[in-house]
Amino acid sequence: GENVEQHPSTLSVQEGDSAVIKCTYSDSASNYFPWYKQELGKGPQLIIDIRSNVGEKKDQRIAVTLNKTAKHFSLHITETQPEDSAVYFCAAKTSYDKVIFGPGTSLSVIP
Amino acid sequence: NAGVTQTPKFQVLKTGQSMTLQCAQDMNHNSMYWYRQDPGMGLRLIYYSASEGTTDKGEVPNGYNVSRLNKREFSLRLESAAPSQTSVYFCASSWVLGNQPQHFGDGTRLSIL
Repeated sequence: GENVEQHPSTLSVQEGDSAVIKCTYSDSASNYFPWYKQELGKGPQLIIDIRSNVGEKKDQRIAVTLNKTAKHFSLHITETQPEDSAVYFCAAKTSYDKVIFGPGTSLSVIP
Repeated sequence: NAGVTQTPKFQVLKTGQSMTLQCAQDMNHNSMYWYRQDPGMGLRLIYYSASEGTTDKGEVPNGYNVSRLNKREFSLRLESAAPSQTSVYFCASSWVLGNQPQHFGDGTRLSIL
């Protein structure tokens, strides 16, 4: 069945450095890729999404890139801050209109 | 604007007990979802409702039932709780099924002894 892989599972960066999280998906028909941030004790919150007709999208310090040929997409966070510490999930919409989530990346930003 | 509200926030059950998790959204969304979140496994879809009056199984439906009571409310029922159902349960909603962002509640933390 369809699946989404996500790496790394944990990531520690110094404040001000960049963080990159990578995901791959199996369903070549996937055309919508959201990213969620989950803070401790809270539900996931959408931070950025990208559709298959776009190769890159930016929103302030956050950017997402998509390589449809390779079936992978990445989240880039620049100038990281302590409040960026959270668990990040990538996801992909399958051809059956379901959204499959990756296993998550726990990001720690060290002041 | 509350978004997606889940009740209760915490619950402890004994094996074999039943309970219903409640979810309500005030965004006039058509589609609603129930997920469970376990360590290292991300979010797995239990059941979803594409629109009022319809429900369908997700990846892990065994041991659960759902009811889409109206457009706002979508409940999840455990008829006979098992320790394997210890998890954090999230309800979510979106305008339509598929390529629209989902809005999540803050979860119900359920422990089954």
